[in-house]
Amino acid sequence: ELKVEQNPLFLSMQEGKNYTIYCNYSTTSDRLYWYRQDPGKSLESLFVLLSNGAVKQEGRLMASLDTKARLSTLHITAAVHDLSATYFCAVDMTDNDMRFGAGTRLTVKP
Amino acid sequence: KAGVTQTPRYLIKTRGQQVTLSCSPISGHRSVSWYQQTPGQGLQFLFEYFSETQRNKGNFPGRFSGRQFSNSRSEMNVSTLELGDSALYLCASSGDPRSSSFFGQGTRLTVV
Repeated sequence: ELKVEQNPLFLSMQEGKNYTIYCNYSTTSDRLYWYRQDPGKSLESLFVLLSNGAVKQEGRLMASLDTKARLSTLHITAAVHDLSATYFCAVDMTDNDMRFGAGTRLTVKP
Repeated sequence: KAGVTQTPRYLIKTRGQQVTLSCSPISGHRSVSWYQQTPGQGLQFLFEYFSETQRNKGNFPGRFSGRQFSNSRSEMNVSTLELGDSALYLCASSGDPRSSSFFGQGTRLTVV
């Protein structure tokens, strides 16, 4: 049974600080996704990582994938309040069967 | 380009009843997946359909079923509703297998 573990589950940051969210998974996969969810809203796609060593960046967020270590990271640079949300990583088992981590609830404080 | 549309957005049902939820994928997308989101269990995969065929199924009882039509629209049905079925049900559609899935706004089901 695939396990996808995110940590931390809760993260309170001050604006302007940097931090990293970790996503470990227990089985081989070459497709990993990061999603964002605002309270009461659906999931918004952030990144698709398709190969070992993949790195994607969008604004203050950067995601990477190490398939050998079965680890993905989501790095936040100089956090701003608008980044407050819950972030999920998801591993694609096969054919759009995604297994999600528990999510990291990020709060960015002034 | 219209996004993924789920109907209805909110639903209240009584234990023992059945419910049908609908999902219209992005035009051209042939894969539709369904997920259940609850505070306790998080996001859990229900099933995935591609060209009217169920390709994958998660670990849910047989009360949960689905289907996909020739126009790629999908429905999921839950029979004999239980209180624990109260959740946000999300539908996602995908076109290119190397791109991410796009999620609808969800149907919030409350079972009383």
